[in-house]
Amino acid sequence: QMTQSPSTLSASVGDRVTITCRASQSISGLLAWYQQIPGKAPNLLIYKASSLESGVPSRFSGSGSGTEFTLTISSLQPDDFATYYCQQYNSYPLTFGGGTKVEIK
Amino acid sequence: EVQLLESGGGLVQPGGSLRLSCAASGLTFSSYAMSWVRQAPGKGLEWVSCITGNGGNTNYAGSVKGRFTISRDNSRDTLYLQLNSLRAEDTAVYYCAKDRNYGEDAFDMWGQGTMVTVSS
Repeated sequence: QMTQSPSTLSASVGDRVTITCRASQSISGLLAWYQQIPGKAPNLLIYKASSLESGVPSRFSGSGSGTEFTLTISSLQPDDFATYYCQQYNSYPLTFGGGTKVEIK
Repeated sequence: EVQLLESGGGLVQPGGSLRLSCAASGLTFSSYAMSWVRQAPGKGLEWVSCITGNGGNTNYAGSVKGRFTISRDNSRDTLYLQLNSLRAEDTAVYYCAKDRNYGEDAFDMWGQGTMVTVSS
């Protein structure tokens, strides 16, 4: 079970944004973060909790271990208004968090 | 360029069946485990099933186990999902997704999705 918070976040361009994902048990750092724009497929941002996927802007970063993880956007850009999901891949069934929608303030 | 292209979605009555396909190009398909992930209208992502690169191992979400079957044809670079005994709650966009690396079920490539609607 993956629990994301908040479910909705209102922010302005330039803001620093942090999203949290909690696992019900240790997932050995096997956590991914995705961005999804409405009507599009998800896009991988971070894998292994803190590794930046190739081509993803460096304003995105991931951290955490054990059961608590965070995704940080250092300076929110207009393209970043989207929904973000965490996903554990330590064990089956693979599970996603409920999502965090980042809205324009 | 790596590309995944789903097909086979549509409108089906409760209790009916469908087979989804995902055609891959631009990659050594047999080297990667593949998954199906679905998203009900207005809802979050739900992992459905995965299969290893050689097709020898599969896993399923509890909500679909016994009703859905994942398979692949590496000679055709194609992934399949057979959906049987469909229910209204199976209505969703179904995405195929590729594992980032061997043994690493983070998905670095997704198809555009195919819509399955279960309704009478």
